[in-house]
Amino acid sequence: DAGVIQSPRHEVTEMGQEVTLRCKPISGHDYLFWYRQTMMRGLELLIYFNNNVPIDDSGMPEDRFSAKMPNASFSTLKIQPSEPRDSAVYFCASSLGSSGANVLTFGAGSRLTVL
Amino acid sequence: GDSVTQMEGPVTLSEEAFLTINCTYTATGYPSLFWYVQYPGEGLQLLLKATKADDKGSNKGFEATYRKETTSFHLEKGSVQVSDSAVYFCALRGWGGGTASKLTFGTGTRLQVTL
Repeated sequence: DAGVIQSPRHEVTEMGQEVTLRCKPISGHDYLFWYRQTMMRGLELLIYFNNNVPIDDSGMPEDRFSAKMPNASFSTLKIQPSEPRDSAVYFCASSLGSSGANVLTFGAGSRLTVL
Repeated sequence: GDSVTQMEGPVTLSEEAFLTINCTYTATGYPSLFWYVQYPGEGLQLLLKATKADDKGSNKGFEATYRKETTSFHLEKGSVQVSDSAVYFCALRGWGGGTASKLTFGTGTRLQVTL
């Protein structure tokens, strides 16, 4: 398996622009997670899905952020409009099952810079 | 809610020195515990895990034992190498499914190993 695939790896955009980050989970995994990593706040869970249904979006910082999972093999995280404070590395992860023994596998991340 | 506390970094060691990175947690029930490692510019990789009390996880010379009585999961390695330089994250995944399915991370500890 190719693992969790994220795109783009790097994105530089200007304040106010729309940003879309993409994730392809490992085939067969039924949980998908979006995390954000910054120096100030570390790793924060933004939202996660189970069988394509959002379960907990309490970590989404504000209405400018939205996430979708239209099918089992694809998810997007959208920021509109983007702001400089959104600059971070965004990670997608997937797992099979919800028990603690099931490991989350992470993608390589999408580094976002908002100027 | 669940939380993980790690020792502050950075930790700087000479090659072949002994490594300990402390990790304690707060959680209800019977969480599973993990150590992830992040090399510069990369995503998070699972290093080791333990799913119940007194379990020892091990990988690549690293070890950690799940101590329920002290709510700890300290990471150790007997002889570090320069290639071990990375950021290490302690994490827990809750018990019981639902919103407990998320992975809660500590703040990370940067390890730098010098010759």
